[in-house]
Amino acid sequence: KQEVTQIPAALSVPEGENLVLNCSFTDSAIYNLQWFRQDPGKGLTSLLLIQSSQREQTSGRLNASLDKSSGRSTLYIAASQPGDSATYLCAVSAGQGGSEKLVFGKGMKLTVNP
Amino acid sequence: DTGVSQDPRHKITKRGQNVTFRCDPISEHNRLYWYRQTLGQGPEFLTYFQNEAQLEKSRLLSDRFSAERPKGSFSTLEIQRTEQGDSAMYLCASSLAWAHSGNTIYFGEGSWLTVV
Repeated sequence: KQEVTQIPAALSVPEGENLVLNCSFTDSAIYNLQWFRQDPGKGLTSLLLIQSSQREQTSGRLNASLDKSSGRSTLYIAASQPGDSATYLCAVSAGQGGSEKLVFGKGMKLTVNP
Repeated sequence: DTGVSQDPRHKITKRGQNVTFRCDPISEHNRLYWYRQTLGQGPEFLTYFQNEAQLEKSRLLSDRFSAERPKGSFSTLEIQRTEQGDSAMYLCASSLAWAHSGNTIYFGEGSWLTVV
């Protein structure tokens, strides 16, 4: 059974810091890995999607890397801003049987202080 | 593009009552997904449709839960004889064709259910 872990569960930093968020998964047979952002009481917004054949994806101040063999991904946020405060979730697309389901971690709550 | 729309956004119901949630996906998306999320947890997969066909159901979806997508457009999720453990946010999402081929999945704002 695929399990996704995000550590730490919460992080509080001053504005301007560069951040690394970690995600690990137990089964390397994945189609892709996605990072999402969730604001309090809201739905999820997809930030980056990395296909299993890719090593990284970049969007603006965000960069996500994938090491499928070791079951790890990192999300790098450059020059953090208070508007980055949210919960960040990592999810893998389960590969077994071509399943479409996403398996999520519990998320990491980020607070960026002005 | 109006995004994924869910209704109602909040529902408070007494234990034992039935509730129904509606999801309107992005119009050209043929894949529709339901997830459930409780406080402090990540979303958990419940079921998904391709057009009107329900292709996968989680074991979380007990016989009290039923989902439909009758014309391959909007979907409904019904919970019968609600229990306090059903209190959660129910998230709907949609995507075009194969999400795991790189098509972005779009989530709605969720429907909060509180069972008292």
